[in-house]
Amino acid sequence: EVQLVESGGGLVQPGRSLRLSCTASGFTFGDYGVSWVRQAPGKGLEWVGFIRSKAYGGTTEYAASVKGRFTISREDSKSIAYLQLNSLKTEDTAVYYCARNNGYTPGWQIDYWGQGTLVTVSS
Amino acid sequence: DIQMTQSPSSLSASVGDRVTITCRASQGISNYLAWFQQKPGKAPKSLIYAASSLQSGVPSKFSGSGSGTDFTLTISSLQPEDFATYYCQQYNSFPFTFGGGTKVEIK
Repeated sequence: EVQLVESGGGLVQPGRSLRLSCTASGFTFGDYGVSWVRQAPGKGLEWVGFIRSKAYGGTTEYAASVKGRFTISREDSKSIAYLQLNSLKTEDTAVYYCARNNGYTPGWQIDYWGQGTLVTVSS
Repeated sequence: DIQMTQSPSSLSASVGDRVTITCRASQGISNYLAWFQQKPGKAPKSLIYAASSLQSGVPSKFSGSGSGTDFTLTISSLQPEDFATYYCQQYNSFPFTFGGGTKVEIK
């Protein structure tokens, strides 16, 4: 069974940093891309960023709203993807989801989601 | 960036109704379009990819169509478990973008 479990969320002050983890199981993690998607309270889904599998260079893409502040990485030996959040702002308050991107069909479509972890940025 | 516009933003329907949600891209995205369902307090669930292909385990009452800029999600016979918010997402080019969502409520 495919599972994605996020962790690392919590309350953090503006300007500080946080690292989220996405631990995968039930599939060969290294063969898939990973997206991070967030949802502010009462709002819709916002795409945050993406990391390709190593077969496609392991490169990353980011939304303009987080580029230069957030960094996605992966540790395939542990089946974990990370989202490093720096210089946090109050508007980064959201539930953060990781999702698996399936590159076996054309494009990088999301097929599985984690349950999410809440990040609250407040003084 | 490609903008995704969903309509309507909300709708009220009865059990058994046929429901159609539309999603329009600001430029052509071929068929790189996905649909997701989200219930309150829960993570999204993947329903459809490549505009019309059902994800594994998704019932056939869900169907998708379209290509280029205009897409639709149809629920053939609405059931109580289908009341949720539905989102489209383009994955043709980065940044991948979501529509604003369509909330399907009980009439």
